[in-house]
Amino acid sequence: GQNIDQPTEMTATEGAIVQINCTYQTSGFNGLFWYQQHAGEAPTFLSYNVLDGLEEKGRFSSFLSRSKGYSYLLLKELQMKDSASYLCAFMDSNYQLIWGAGTKLIIKP
Amino acid sequence: GAVVSQHPSWVICKSGTSVKIECRSLDFQATTMFWYRQFPKQSLMLMATSNEGSKATYEQGVEKDKFLINHASLTLSTLTVTSAHPEDSSFYICSARRGDREGYYEQYFGPGTRLTVT
Repeated sequence: GQNIDQPTEMTATEGAIVQINCTYQTSGFNGLFWYQQHAGEAPTFLSYNVLDGLEEKGRFSSFLSRSKGYSYLLLKELQMKDSASYLCAFMDSNYQLIWGAGTKLIIKP
Repeated sequence: GAVVSQHPSWVICKSGTSVKIECRSLDFQATTMFWYRQFPKQSLMLMATSNEGSKATYEQGVEKDKFLINHASLTLSTLTVTSAHPEDSSFYICSARRGDREGYYEQYFGPGTRLTVT
């Protein structure tokens, strides 16, 4: 079967670093996505990993280990505007996205 | 580039009426469009996948006669909620996957439509 799991909620301090983990199980895999969603808005694309390793994009980095079925999103120098839900999703063998439930990130001053 | 628009952004309708939501890819051709529904504090729920010129594929539990999807062109898909009821009140989001770049699978999301049925 297929499943994907990420923490429901995390809290971090402004200026700090936070890592949001995502684990998945699937027989067919065509990459893993991270999206950011602010309350009441649609998701916006953050990253896409299809090969193992770390992809860095400004303050955000995403890591993938296909053998472990594991990914994380790393956010550095946290800002209050980073308070949002972060959704991970993997693309299955039919190129459909299978979504996690999202991690609500709360940033405190 | 890669902008997706939705119209309307919010709508209030009376129970029993039908509502049409449009999803347009503004600067690319979308061979595949997806319709999602999201209830408060819950994750995205895929309702259906539509490919241009063919019938939509609905997820289990989604009534195809209630949620009519038309993907008439490479830039437009519509979702019609027929005989809407209060339990259909939700945030409806479309996304589009571009078909003009080989191996590029990112989905671009529209801004969403908030439907309230009274």
